[in-house]
Amino acid sequence: SQKIEQNSEALNIQEGKTATLTCNYTNYSPAYLQWYRQDPGRGPVFLLLIRENEKEKRKERLKVTFDTTLKQSLFHITASQPADSATYLCALDPRDSGAGSYQLTFGKGTKLSVIP
Amino acid sequence: GAGVSQSPRYKVAKRGQDVALRCDPISGHVSLFWYQQALGQGPEFLTYFQNEAQLDKSGLPSDRFFAERPEGSVSTLKIQRTQQEDSAVYLCASSLTAGFHNAYEQYFGPGTRLTVT
Repeated sequence: SQKIEQNSEALNIQEGKTATLTCNYTNYSPAYLQWYRQDPGRGPVFLLLIRENEKEKRKERLKVTFDTTLKQSLFHITASQPADSATYLCALDPRDSGAGSYQLTFGKGTKLSVIP
Repeated sequence: GAGVSQSPRYKVAKRGQDVALRCDPISGHVSLFWYQQALGQGPEFLTYFQNEAQLDKSGLPSDRFFAERPEGSVSTLKIQRTQQEDSAVYLCASSLTAGFHNAYEQYFGPGTRLTVT
């Protein structure tokens, strides 16, 4: 069966360090993968999208990698700040090519706490 | 600018009651999605609309769940005869368009927290 796993339920790091979050998937061949941030009591907020033919994508202090051989995406936050504390969700489109639905399948999320 | 809005933000229903949850997507967004999020879990897909057409309802957990988007903008998720297991946050998301070669991000509302007692 198809599965998405985010390896850590919670991750605590010191302010200024780089946070690395992992997303692994099985039995999918996604065309792209997305990362979202979710704060308590709020809906997820889109951060980055990476396509299957892209190895790496950057946006300010964020970097995402996508290894379709390992079936893994890594999400990095450099120079982390307490304001980065939130739950981070990876999501992918479970469809095979040509199917008619564009839903996202989400992992359970990793709760990141950046300690001052 | 205005984002996705949902109402009510909180709803308490007695078991067996019917509830209706409203979503106002971003103006001009073609695609609209409903997700259910249990505590400590990621959102789970319920249903998808492209304009007024409901193209995928494979995630609706039972025939007690019904969604509509009659004019291609506002959407309503209705749950009949609510059960305790329906307690969750219901998230609505919209995107400009959706297509295999056009992977647009989804914009989420704040959610409606439903508690069935």
